Amino acid sequence: EDKVVQSPLSLVVHEGDTVTLNCSYEVTNFRSLLWYKQEKKAPTFLFMLTSSGIEKKSGRLSSILDKKELFSILNITATQTGDSAVYLCAVDGLNTGTASKLTFGTGTRLQVTL
Amino acid sequence: GAVVSQHPSRVICKSGTSVKIECRSLDFQATTMFWYRQFPKKSLMLMATSNEGSKATYEQGVEKDKFLINHASLTLSTLTVTSAHPEDSSFYICSARRLAGGPMFNEQFFGPGTRLTVL
Repeated sequence: EDKVVQSPLSLVVHEGDTVTLNCSYEVTNFRSLLWYKQEKKAPTFLFMLTSSGIEKKSGRLSSILDKKELFSILNITATQTGDSAVYLCAVDGLNTGTASKLTFGTGTRLQVTL
Repeated sequence: GAVVSQHPSRVICKSGTSVKIECRSLDFQATTMFWYRQFPKKSLMLMATSNEGSKATYEQGVEKDKFLINHASLTLSTLTVTSAHPEDSSFYICSARRLAGGPMFNEQFFGPGTRLTVL
């Protein structure tokens, strides 16, 4: 069974700090790893990673994948209170004979304080 | 583009009643829609995969007779929680995958979710 583990489960930082969120996975037929940000409603897409070692960047957020170690990190620099959310990691694993599906981790709850 | 809506956004019902939740892809066609459930402070758990014109595929532990899924068109899937009980109270989220790109493409667009409270 596919498995996604995120750490830490929760984190409180001061505005301006840099944070690193971790995601490890075990999946059959890996296709991609995705990061989402969830505030009060449904998740919003951040990144999709398919290749090892290639950093994806969007403003103060960046992410990288290590397919050998089955691991990804999400970095947020110069954090702001608006970054407070739950960050979800999901892995897209292709099931033989069927369409692929996402397996989500439990999320990291980030709180950025003033 | 790629907007997914859900209706209703919030529903409160009495135990024993049935509740229907709609998921619509507004500006694209979706051959596949996914239904997730999320309990407070927990992650999204896939309940079932819904393919247009065929029976849904349910994840292990999800009762198909309790959570009825219908995907009658390329833009609409419905989830009906039958004989709801308080333990069914949860946040239900759907996602839709574009028709374009074929079955190997898995960009999912999420709806805003429906919060169900069963009294």
